[in-house]
Amino acid sequence: DVKVTQSSRYLVKRTGEKVFLECVQDMDHENMFWYRQDPGLGLRLIYFSYDVKMKEKGDIPEGYSVSREKKERFSLILESASTNQTSMYLCASSPVRGSKKQFFGPGTRLTVL
Amino acid sequence: QKEVEQNSGPLSVPEGAIASLNCTYSDRVSQSFFWYRQYSGKSPELIMSIYSNGDKEDGRFTAQLNKASQYVSLLIRDSQPSDSATYLCAVGDTGRRALTFGSGTRLQVQP
Repeated sequence: DVKVTQSSRYLVKRTGEKVFLECVQDMDHENMFWYRQDPGLGLRLIYFSYDVKMKEKGDIPEGYSVSREKKERFSLILESASTNQTSMYLCASSPVRGSKKQFFGPGTRLTVL
Repeated sequence: QKEVEQNSGPLSVPEGAIASLNCTYSDRVSQSFFWYRQYSGKSPELIMSIYSNGDKEDGRFTAQLNKASQYVSLLIRDSQPSDSATYLCAVGDTGRRALTFGSGTRLQVQP
């Protein structure tokens, strides 16, 4: 079974702090994704990566950056956290060939005070 | 912009009934279709995938795809209270690595 893990289930940070969210997958998937999920807005794609050091902006990249130094690890960085970044953050991975099935990690509930 | 539309619900059905969840999509070149189940406070879990027109059955779940009409549906037979969750429809196409998700339909199965 594909396993996607995220570094924290719950995180509380203060406005202006730099925040790192980490995601690790163990199935050698090329593609990795970061989403945020908010009530009434569904899943929104922030960034994705299709290979080591390769990244593309999703639908809402403003205020975020990402890093992928190793194939299994994809990090989301909030350079200066703001209250409107309070959300559930979900990481997912998928193989580059065949089905586009995405497998999700357990999520990180981030609160920015 | 590519869109995936779902009725937000809640869709309420009695235990043992068939629950029917629907999803429409705007991009005609979409080729892969997925249903995810998401319990409150949890992450989405893939339950069904379908790629060609027609029906695909897996246990109590049946996915139906009609590309001409651009809709995909999920039927849940013999609904159980444990099926109460939000169901997300997701669509993929060859031009985009990421899936496009609908905002989900909340299903409530009444005991």
